[in-house]
Amino acid sequence: DIQMTQSPSTLSASVGDRVTITCRASQSISSWLAWYQQKPGKAPKLLIYKASSLESGVPSRFSGSESGTEFTLTISSLQPDDFATYYCQQYNSLFTFGPGTKVDIK
Amino acid sequence: QVQLQESGPGLVKPSETLSLTCTVSGASISSYYWSWIRQPPGKGLEWIGYIYYSGRTNYNPSLKSRVTISVDTSKNQFSLKLSSVTAADTAVYYCARVPGAYGDYVTPDYWGQGTLVTVSS
Repeated sequence: DIQMTQSPSTLSASVGDRVTITCRASQSISSWLAWYQQKPGKAPKLLIYKASSLESGVPSRFSGSESGTEFTLTISSLQPDDFATYYCQQYNSLFTFGPGTKVDIK
Repeated sequence: QVQLQESGPGLVKPSETLSLTCTVSGASISSYYWSWIRQPPGKGLEWIGYIYYSGRTNYNPSLKSRVTISVDTSKNQFSLKLSSVTAADTAVYYCARVPGAYGDYVTPDYWGQGTLVTVSS
């Protein structure tokens, strides 16, 4: 089974900050990695697929990158609507979600 | 506009079978994969399994012995059955669309709003 880890588990930031979240896979998943945003009481929303492809309608301040089995979600300038929990998910072999990173207000 | 809606009992007794249905509107279920994902209160997301519209399934190995996912193309619905439930199965259950042909590498895009299922006597 492929395991996913995320760091940090919680991140405190201010509006306008550049935010980076890291996700690591326990083995190669090629580029089959997605990022989701979830707000309390809501379903997850797809932001990024195939490691760096932006889902339609998602603001360009969100971006994804990869290096081997390490993947990064970057928010270039944090907006009030971005305070949420972010999950990475591999889909190279079945599906596995990371444990999540909560972005809260500093 | 693709919409998914989960339905089923909100309370299930321990050792019984949890049954949920996802009704899809705005798209035909006779294409793509369709998935179930759950989230215990205050915790992260756990993939349960998915079904291709033709009926082929894949399940989370940790739940495989208790899970059955089926599809009813005539009703544009797919369903989840989870047997021998315990309190650990208490969660919000989401259904989701996974857009792709059989064998493609694809991830969920449209999700239902989720339904809370509590396991308690």
